[in-house]
Amino acid sequence: QKEVEQDPGPLSVPEGAIVSLNCTYSNSAFQYFMWYRQYSRKGPELLMYTYSSGNKEDGRFTAQVDKSSKYISLFIRDSQPSDSATYLCAMSDAAGNKLTFGGGTRVLVKP
Amino acid sequence: ETGVTQSPTHLIKTRGQQVTLRCSSQSGHNTVSWYQQALGQGPQFIFQYYREEENGRGNFPPRFSGLQFPNYSSELNVNALELDDSALYLCASSLVAIPGEQYFGPGTRLTVT
Repeated sequence: QKEVEQDPGPLSVPEGAIVSLNCTYSNSAFQYFMWYRQYSRKGPELLMYTYSSGNKEDGRFTAQVDKSSKYISLFIRDSQPSDSATYLCAMSDAAGNKLTFGGGTRVLVKP
Repeated sequence: ETGVTQSPTHLIKTRGQQVTLRCSSQSGHNTVSWYQQALGQGPQFIFQYYREEENGRGNFPPRFSGLQFPNYSSELNVNALELDDSALYLCASSLVAIPGEQYFGPGTRLTVT
């Protein structure tokens, strides 16, 4: 079993809809939680960075962390075709030197 | 602010050969990490360098080695290339004082034939 599980998708939504993404994990030592966006054949781009449990909002993006359930989420409001990409969740322990990634969810926003 | 840069962009090597990939960290960052991303998968941690020393290593064999230079740039060396080494190699830079917040470069796509 992988340390971080993420549904590979693809997740197809109409433009303007809310995109809901999530990851589950098994390692209770994880304390830092990140979401990255990766376009085809490009490097991952950091979208959200969260420490411990709680919510964080940045523009159209909201990240939620529930450490008791070992479950994290990313919501994208008012989705645009330019949001079409693979979204990767990543986590690290207190040392923060090693990121453990999920396999990524491919998202397609249709005009 | 200069982002993370990597060279070369693409590389084709033959099984058994050796390869060196290069990375320049983001301005102000003192830590460099390397990841391997196979097609359709999430990145896998290879190792991290801080103050020119290895600061953590993933489940990769010793033929994967690295260096960090005083200007915080870094190299990834892979000896005795195998077909399964074909992947996107990603470099990420960060500040050791901000755990987990890593910024990635565009990657080097390595093909081993």
